[in-house]
Amino acid sequence: EAQVTQNPRYLITVTGKKLTVTCSQNMNHEYMSWYRQDPGLGLRQIYYSMNVEVTDKGDVPEGYKVSRKEKRNFPLILESPSPNQTSLYFCASSSAAVVDTQYFGPGTRLTVL
Amino acid sequence: GEDVEQSLFLSVREGDSSVINCTYTDSSSTYLYWYKQEPGAGLQLLTYIFSNMDMKQDQRLTVLLNKKDKHLSLRIADTQTGDSAIYFCAALGDTDKLIFGTGTRLQVFP
Repeated sequence: EAQVTQNPRYLITVTGKKLTVTCSQNMNHEYMSWYRQDPGLGLRQIYYSMNVEVTDKGDVPEGYKVSRKEKRNFPLILESPSPNQTSLYFCASSSAAVVDTQYFGPGTRLTVL
Repeated sequence: GEDVEQSLFLSVREGDSSVINCTYTDSSSTYLYWYKQEPGAGLQLLTYIFSNMDMKQDQRLTVLLNKKDKHLSLRIADTQTGDSAIYFCAALGDTDKLIFGTGTRLQVFP
């Protein structure tokens, strides 16, 4: 089954404790991206990747890092989380470029205390 | 940059038509999308329209695009309780970034 998986689905952590949210897709997609969803703000893109070893900043990259060592994985790293990063995070992938259908993961709800 | 706006809430009676509206600012947007987000789930692409089209119909869904006014709408015919969700409009701008609206929460009551 074609899917995008994220782990963990829920996470409560404390300020400053490094964490990683994993994202994996099994569709051999080249394009992957991370979004955060906040009430009243919709989805905002954090980072995206056009292919392996190619990443670029989205609209709200501050406080986040990503890597793309393999085609299927695109982890999101918060080196020193802060409460304003409490949000719902979505990973998405598509076959070539963003114009193609993006498949979204189920979301990761992160709370930073 | 591109800005995409939607109203936050819409409430309709089961069996009626729902119309969700969206406005965008970038006239060079090539593709416009409608996504559906059910509770506790990710976004699911419902439909999209290319900027040289005025209308697209897919079963109960009708998308209308007024490029002059930069206005996009999604009409759901015979709305069902299973249509209750958040609907996001998104526009693909010339920077190849997908910009989402704030989402419209559709509530269907019996």
